[in-house]
Amino acid sequence: EAGVTQSPTHLIKTRGQQVTLRCSPISGHTSVYWYQQALGLGLQFLLWYDEGEERNRGNFPPRFSGRQFPNYSSELNVNALELEDSALYLCASSLASPGQETQYFGPGTRLLVL
Amino acid sequence: GESVGLHLPTLSVQEGDNSIINCAYSNSASDYFIWYKQESGKGPQFIIDIRSNMDKRQGQRVTVLLNKTVKHLSLQIAATQPGDSAVYFCAETFYNQGGKLIFGQGTELSVKP
Repeated sequence: EAGVTQSPTHLIKTRGQQVTLRCSPISGHTSVYWYQQALGLGLQFLLWYDEGEERNRGNFPPRFSGRQFPNYSSELNVNALELEDSALYLCASSLASPGQETQYFGPGTRLLVL
Repeated sequence: GESVGLHLPTLSVQEGDNSIINCAYSNSASDYFIWYKQESGKGPQFIIDIRSNMDKRQGQRVTVLLNKTVKHLSLQIAATQPGDSAVYFCAETFYNQGGKLIFGQGTELSVKP
């Protein structure tokens, strides 16, 4: 069974640009989660999508947004990139909410903002 | 506030020894806990989980212990192998947490051959 996949694997952007990251969940999983793992910091919760709806978001500014498609894949968009947005962005998926199902992570997208 | 912390940021063990990684949590409402292993350049890999109605759960070479009285979680790895070298995170959540896992800072396990 294929795991969670993410694309691209690496990305380099400059300040002020916009970026879109993509995630495909494990087959049968309807919930998708996004986390940010910045250097020296732990994993910080960004967003949770389930059945196409945003169910919860972490303590991040509105320039972090996303969506979930009918096939349960998801995109994370970050506008007006700042240097501190440089991090590993991880996507996880699980069976249906309420969010106490095990979250399985993808390999991540490493974003570098110059 | 809510937090999950680890007592030891680094742990070095000899191959074949048992490893114990500890984790403290502060939210008494947390009722689901997960251990993840993260190797360099990779995403976190699920190891084992435990719910608050249990004190102990065993997997292949791993055991998780939960002490709700002192809000402490531990991961025991038997016969540690070089392939176990990684950063280990504990994570907590509870119903109505909105899908959010709260992660500890991680413990780096180094296995010496």
